[in-house]
Amino acid sequence: GENVEQHPSTLSVQEGDSAVIKCTYSDSASNYFPWYKQELGKGPQLIIDIRSNVGEKKDQRIAVTLNKTAKHFSLHITETQPEDSAVYFCAASMVQGAQKLVFGQGTRLTINP
Amino acid sequence: GAVVSQHPSWVICKSGTSVKIECRSLDFQATTMFWYRQFPKQSLMLMATSNEGSKATYEQGVEKDKFLINHASLTLSTLTVTSAHPEDSSFYICSAPPGGGADTQYFGPGTRLTVL
Repeated sequence: GENVEQHPSTLSVQEGDSAVIKCTYSDSASNYFPWYKQELGKGPQLIIDIRSNVGEKKDQRIAVTLNKTAKHFSLHITETQPEDSAVYFCAASMVQGAQKLVFGQGTRLTINP
Repeated sequence: GAVVSQHPSWVICKSGTSVKIECRSLDFQATTMFWYRQFPKQSLMLMATSNEGSKATYEQGVEKDKFLINHASLTLSTLTVTSAHPEDSSFYICSAPPGGGADTQYFGPGTRLTVL
């Protein structure tokens, strides 16, 4: 089955700097890669996703890149703000079929003022 | 984005009792819903896939007789934790993709279960 590895487990950056979180996946059949932000005591919130037919997607300060050959994808947050502090999860799934999401271990991002 | 709600948001129960958690899609129909469990400082682990009008499918290691799932309608799935024990204490979260085979999943706010 699919296995998703996420790094780093914790990340601390100064406000205004950029943050990058990386994930690798094992199943080449996976073709959908969402990123979720989870604040303490809340459910995950979808922040951006990418499908395997594109290599990069951007939404304001957030971007995701995908390298299908290497089977890895990354989340980039620019101009970080204190409200970006949260736990971020990557996930992988196949669009067809059961659509089960397999999550990475999570990254606790702390933005220092 | 689509909205998924859960009820209750938190519940405390005594060991041996049963607890029901509801998951509702508020502005879309969901033929499939997913139930996850999350322990403190850990990732989300899929427990089961809830299918409207048919039996749920459970992930390996999840006891189907302990975690009863009912997908009663296109907007409601319930998870019942039967004979709860302290080790069942966790954060339970549901998710649902909008109908039509869409891949995007929206998560509910979660339910914190504490078993005394």
